[in-house]
Amino acid sequence: DTGVSQNPRHKITKRGQNVTFRCDPISEHNRLYWYRQTLGQGPEFLTYFQNEAQLEKSRLLSDRFSAERPKGSFSTLEIQRTEQGDSAMYLCASSLVPTGLAASYNEQFFGPGTRLTVL
Amino acid sequence: KQEVTQIPAALSVPEGENLVLNCSFTDSAIYNLQWFRQDPGKGLTSLLLIQSSQREQTSGRLNASLDKSSGRSTLYIAASQPGDSATYLCAVEGYQKVTFGTGTKLQVIP
Repeated sequence: DTGVSQNPRHKITKRGQNVTFRCDPISEHNRLYWYRQTLGQGPEFLTYFQNEAQLEKSRLLSDRFSAERPKGSFSTLEIQRTEQGDSAMYLCASSLVPTGLAASYNEQFFGPGTRLTVL
Repeated sequence: KQEVTQIPAALSVPEGENLVLNCSFTDSAIYNLQWFRQDPGKGLTSLLLIQSSQREQTSGRLNASLDKSSGRSTLYIAASQPGDSATYLCAVEGYQKVTFGTGTKLQVIP
């Protein structure tokens, strides 16, 4: 399977615990995005990476959230001291924007998501 | 701040009907607009990407148009089938950010 993969697919945790999600993008994709989606809403942008550099973080990404992409390949999203309001689907997407070409050609491909439930 | 609106929120049509989904956005300074479908509990599947310099894109029974100056895009689905039932989302990419609409939930009745 050469698509975007996310692990785990489901996570149930108790309030106050830390959780970490992993995203493996499509091979050679240089951009990686994290989104959060709650029921009945569209995905909300959290952050994105160009290779290993984190270029933008939404104000939704409080200091309890941190994302890394250490070698420009897979990425992790960690939530510390989880709250019930963190319950959502966390989606990862990747894309390839060739160097020197306009950012207008940036087709994102999504993984299946990680569903987080905080009790 | 970019705001993306999709109308209608839900749509139910008989099989075989042609239909149009709408997406509007407030800031015309975009790089591209992408249409996705999402099945319940699943991730998003890319349908069409329209670059800012383009007016439309076609893939099979789908045709998407973009009018940047008026902040509108439409997704046209020809000869709808029950398998088209899903939520359709549009997303606009601007500088350093992607903004999604809330989606149109489509039901195609056999």
